[in-house]
This record gives sequence, structure tokens and C-alpha cells, in this order.
Amino acid sequence: GDSVTQMEGPVTLSEEAFLTINCTYTATGYPSLFWYVQYPGEGLQLLLKATKADDKGSNKGFEATYRKETTSFHLEKGSVQVSDSAVYFCALSQNDKIIFGKGTRLHILP
Amino acid sequence: DAGVIQSPRHEVTEMGQEVTLRCKLISGHNSLFWYRQTMMRGLELLIYFNNNVPIDDSGMPEDRFSAKMPNASFSTLKIQPSEPRDSAVYFCASSGDSLSNQPQHFGDGTRLSIL
Repeated sequence: GDSVTQMEGPVTLSEEAFLTINCTYTATGYPSLFWYVQYPGEGLQLLLKATKADDKGSNKGFEATYRKETTSFHLEKGSVQVSDSAVYFCALSQNDKIIFGKGTRLHILP
Repeated sequence: DAGVIQSPRHEVTEMGQEVTLRCKLISGHNSLFWYRQTMMRGLELLIYFNNNVPIDDSGMPEDRFSAKMPNASFSTLKIQPSEPRDSAVYFCASSGDSLSNQPQHFGDGTRLSIL
């Protein structure tokens, strides 16, 4: 069945470091792909999305490109801030189903 | 616009008691999702509705759990009787017309503790 695999955390970086959180998926057909972010004590918020191959989603300095050839949707940011500390979820949706990865906790040190 | 509103934010109760969690959708949204989040199991989809009709309840753990949408803007998730292993954060989320390309908007969750 469809699945999402993302790198295990926690990921700890210093402020202004480059961030990559890996996400790969397994799906038949052409799913839409999402990154959500969860701050402490809150629900998930959509960070960015891509609906077809080679689309790039971007928001708040974060980017992810829908790579069908590698079935990946890696999240990147060039210079992280302490305020980026949160849990990040990769997700796919298709055929009235949505599947979330297990989440990656990110700690940014000042 | 108001987001998804969940109540209560926190609930502490003794095992065996009935628990009712409430969710108000964003106006105009017609899909509603209930999730459970724990450290051990992560985020689990329990059930989702489209146009007030339950579409997939395969994630509902057992008969002690039930969910309803009495109208287009409101839903409840009920646990009866509750057990300590039901302790978790429960989220509801809503989205626009179709699941596939529409993002979900989450409430801030209900933190449930069953003693």
C-alpha cells in the first residue's frame, strides 16, 4: 500500500545552518505531496505542497521539489532560525486517503 | 476567519467515564477528520467524513469509539467507556471539497488523560 518514510529525529542544528529533512514515498498513481509543521501545543499547519511531478512548493524559506523519478519530497531551508524548532510531517494524499509520515523533530540551537 | 475549533483543550477523567470531544469545522469546508497522536504511535487517522457521511472509519480502534456529524459544521468523538490507553492528544481537521489536493486545517487538539 501507499506509505511515507521520513528521516528519524531528532535533528539538532545551529542557527543559520542548512536544513534537509528527507522524505520518500511509495504510491501507485500520482499523489499530491505535503509538508506540515507542528509547533508545541498546537495542531499541524500546512507548510507547503506540490501536486505534480517537478512542482516546487515553497513557504517561509522552506522548499521541497516533487521528484517522481526518486519518489522523494525532501524539505530544505538555507538558513534555519530558532523559531523553526518544531516537528515536521511529510504526507501524501490520493484517492481520498491521506498518509502522514511519523514526523521529524527539529531542534535549532541559538 | 476562525480556524477549526476544538473543545475542551484538556480533559482529565477516570477510567470508565464517558468522554466527548467536540469540533467545529471551518465555514465552507465539507470534509472532517479525527486523528489521535501519541509518542508511541505518532499521528493516526481515526475516521473521516465527507458531506456529513462517514467515508472511512477503519482507524477507529474499537467499538468504544464513535464519531458523529449532526450537522455540516460540527462533529463529536465519543469514548465510552474510557480506558487509560486512550490517553492521547486528539485532533480534528477540516478541508475543502476533496481530499486529494486540498490541505487540511487542524485544530489545536484536546489533550486527554484517562486515570
